[in-house]
Amino acid sequence: AAGVIQSPRHLIKEKRETATLKCYPIPRHDTVYWYQQGPGQDPQFLISFYEKMQSDKGSIPDRFSAQQFSDYHSELNMSSLELGDSALYFCASSLGTGLVYNEQFFGPGTRLTVL
Amino acid sequence: TQLLEQSPQFLSIQEGENLTVYCNSSSVFSSLQWYRQEPGEGPVLLVTVVTGGEVKKLKRLTFQFGDARKDSSLHITAAQPGDTGLYLCAGAKYGGSQGNLIFGKGTKLSVKP
Repeated sequence: AAGVIQSPRHLIKEKRETATLKCYPIPRHDTVYWYQQGPGQDPQFLISFYEKMQSDKGSIPDRFSAQQFSDYHSELNMSSLELGDSALYFCASSLGTGLVYNEQFFGPGTRLTVL
Repeated sequence: TQLLEQSPQFLSIQEGENLTVYCNSSSVFSSLQWYRQEPGEGPVLLVTVVTGGEVKKLKRLTFQFGDARKDSSLHITAAQPGDTGLYLCAGAKYGGSQGNLIFGKGTKLSVKP
């Protein structure tokens, strides 16, 4: 079965550079979520989109922005990168319409290293 | 303050032993998911529990959702080295497209042959 696809899998950037992470949800899933997981930490929710509209916002820095496109893929744009932004970034997708529960399927993640 | 408290944080056992991991909160969740995560990989969904008191079995794994939908447990029978990994519980406070997941800190399980 098709899973969530994330690209790139690894990314190395310098401080103050920008980065763009991409997420392709499971086919027919209309909701995407972005999470950040620091070393030894649990995933922390950043932002989510449902039907191309922002549906929820967590601890996403102002330097980051994201959007969901008409084909439901999403991109997380990160500017003025800081050393503390080094982490695993996960995208998850779900079928959000009318469900009682929120079952999310995660991608393999993008490991961002800021030097 | 961690909304979802997971215990124990670390667990090292011998092959064949049984174990239980707990996930507790003072908040009510619309659903609770259990994930397993390998180092450097994304969490893989094991099960979703929705109804208070619900019990779900997945081979040697048994998941239970508390009656009040505030806590959950994962019980593994006759653990095997292949069960080694990080187990995360995650709660959704709302359903549908509204809810992000709130994760526990995880239980790092090591099963020695």
